[in-house]
Amino acid sequence: KNEVEQSPQNLTAQEGEFITINCSYSVGISALHWLQQHPGGGIVSLFMLSSGKKKHGRLIATINIQEKHSSLHITASHPRDSAVYICAVRLTWLIFGTGTRLQVFP
Amino acid sequence: EPEVTQTPSHQVTQMGQEVILRCVPISNHLYFYWYRQILGQKVEFLVSFYNNEISEKSEIFDDQFSVERPDGSNFTLKIRSTKLEDSAMYFCASSRGSTTEAFFGQGTRLTVV
Repeated sequence: KNEVEQSPQNLTAQEGEFITINCSYSVGISALHWLQQHPGGGIVSLFMLSSGKKKHGRLIATINIQEKHSSLHITASHPRDSAVYICAVRLTWLIFGTGTRLQVFP
Repeated sequence: EPEVTQTPSHQVTQMGQEVILRCVPISNHLYFYWYRQILGQKVEFLVSFYNNEISEKSEIFDDQFSVERPDGSNFTLKIRSTKLEDSAMYFCASSRGSTTEAFFGQGTRLTVV
């Protein structure tokens, strides 16, 4: 059983579209991370949140602790946003979701 | 901006050989981690390290694996006798506290032939 589920697995968008990626988890956590992985493989941390909402540029992350659900939104998507977006929940280490592969076309 | 650095970026080794993957965590961080990602699969936790000892490890982290912080800056993962199934991307991460944000290195791609 996966402790962290993401949807969708794959997402294709036209430049400028609003993107939503969802994450549900089944364990008690201290925080949730959203991460970005580019084709070269490197992982970049986008957000860590334990409640409410965070915004950084065109990225917005929300979390509902009671419902064990988080969303990552990208406003005005751009081809350079194309990457795999990964949700990971923090116990004392991180448990990763399988990722959402996003492709944004011009 | 401080970053976690890993070397080498790619290592090819023969089955049965020992490999050492190296990481330099962010300097004021106290918690260190190794994760791995087999091609096409999700990232998995291997081990966490704090105060010069292993704090937690997963089932993957068996006797073939060991970690060390040989000096004040490096954090290494050793695989004693590599197997084909050890081929993966290995990520080092560090964080200031046990519940604070973790920062990842660019990864070492290990290929066992």
